[in-house]
Amino acid sequence: GESVGLHLPTLSVQEGDNSIINCAYSNSASDYFIWYKQESGKGPQFIIDIRSNMDKRQGQRVTVLLNKTVKHLSLQIAATQPGDSAVYFCAESRLSSGSARQLTFGSGTQLTVLP
Amino acid sequence: DAGVIQSPRHEVTEMGQEVTLRCKPISGHDYLFWYRQTMMRGLELLIYFNNNVPIDDSGMPEDRFSAKMPNASFSTLKIQPSEPRDSAVYFCASSLAGGKNIQYFGAGTRLSVL
Repeated sequence: GESVGLHLPTLSVQEGDNSIINCAYSNSASDYFIWYKQESGKGPQFIIDIRSNMDKRQGQRVTVLLNKTVKHLSLQIAATQPGDSAVYFCAESRLSSGSARQLTFGSGTQLTVLP
Repeated sequence: DAGVIQSPRHEVTEMGQEVTLRCKPISGHDYLFWYRQTMMRGLELLIYFNNNVPIDDSGMPEDRFSAKMPNASFSTLKIQPSEPRDSAVYFCASSLAGGKNIQYFGAGTRLSVL
């Protein structure tokens, strides 16, 4: 079946370094992808998104890269800070019945920022 | 904007009891989603509503689960009778129709069924 999954379950980086979180997807028909951040005890928080007709999108300290050839998505966080420690999910968004976009979440990557 | 509000934040109950989880979506949003999160299965969509009408409930695990949305500002997810395997964090999310339809999540309800 179709699925969205993450390559690495945990990632530890030094404060100030850049972080790269990877995600693989299998549904070639997916046209929209979202990265969410989930801090302990909180709900997922939208970070950044990208449409399938783009290969890169930048936000504040974050960049998402999309490689449709190999069905790969990555989230890059520049100058990682302690507040970036969280679980990061990629999600595949697709139109469904009722015209809503349903999300299929990957398993998540725990990012730990070391002092 | 207060965001999506869920209550209670924590619920501990005994097997067989009825549990009701509540959600207030972001004002003006016309889609509402209920998710369940566990370590084993991650985030799973249970059901979603559009303009208070249930559209897709294929993720609801069993008949013990039911969800309602009596008006645009309130939804409930009920489990009766509850079982230990229902223990999870339940999230509500809402979104606005059109365009990216980005979902915004509440803080969740942590349910423990003993």
